[in-house]
Amino acid sequence: AQKVTQAQTEISVVEKEDVTLDCVYETRDTTYYLFWYKQPPSGELVFLIRRNSFDEQNEISGRYSWNFQKSTSSFNFTITASQVVDSAVYFCALTGLLKGGSNYKLTFGKGTLLTVNP
Amino acid sequence: SAVISQKPSRDICQRGTSLTIQCQVDSQVTMMFWYRQQPGQSLTLIATANQGSEATYESGFVIDKFPISRPNLTFSTLTVSNMSPEDSSIYLCSAPRGQGNTEAFFGQGTRLTVV
Repeated sequence: AQKVTQAQTEISVVEKEDVTLDCVYETRDTTYYLFWYKQPPSGELVFLIRRNSFDEQNEISGRYSWNFQKSTSSFNFTITASQVVDSAVYFCALTGLLKGGSNYKLTFGKGTLLTVNP
Repeated sequence: SAVISQKPSRDICQRGTSLTIQCQVDSQVTMMFWYRQQPGQSLTLIATANQGSEATYESGFVIDKFPISRPNLTFSTLTVSNMSPEDSSIYLCSAPRGQGNTEAFFGQGTRLTVV
């Protein structure tokens, strides 16, 4: 069975601070994909990144960066110079490949509520 | 980027009634997924909507309570039947997109309150 653990329930920072959101996963699949989503108060789920199990390169997109470490089964997310607009719930998610093709379903962590104070 | 339109965006319903949520994708997809997010909780998969066959339900979810239709490759509906306050949640549809169908996009969600 797949499992995603986001140990940080809530994080509160002051604007311009850097913040790292932790994600640890468990899977028996050899091929899998990891995701991060942002859910602002409005409720929609905003896709941030997908990382496949074969690619351990870290990725940077503007103020966002992701650190994928297969050895520790972690996929952590760092926001540099946080802003008030970053306040949201952030979900880490995992999927493997189902039999017969690339269709899949996601297993989500419980989410981390990030509050960035001015 | 992918467009997944979901409606209604929110509703307040009386207990005992049913609500049908619609999900429209802007291109053909083999599978669509329905999730539930109870207040303050994470997302839980309800079922996988397959075109041309019955939906596949996850443990704890049954067809009588959450009937799903998938009439074509761009559309699906989820009905929440005989609602109770415990059904108050955000319901989201999802479709895999992108190269290799490995990017999961979501609709904006339906915020349901049952009174």
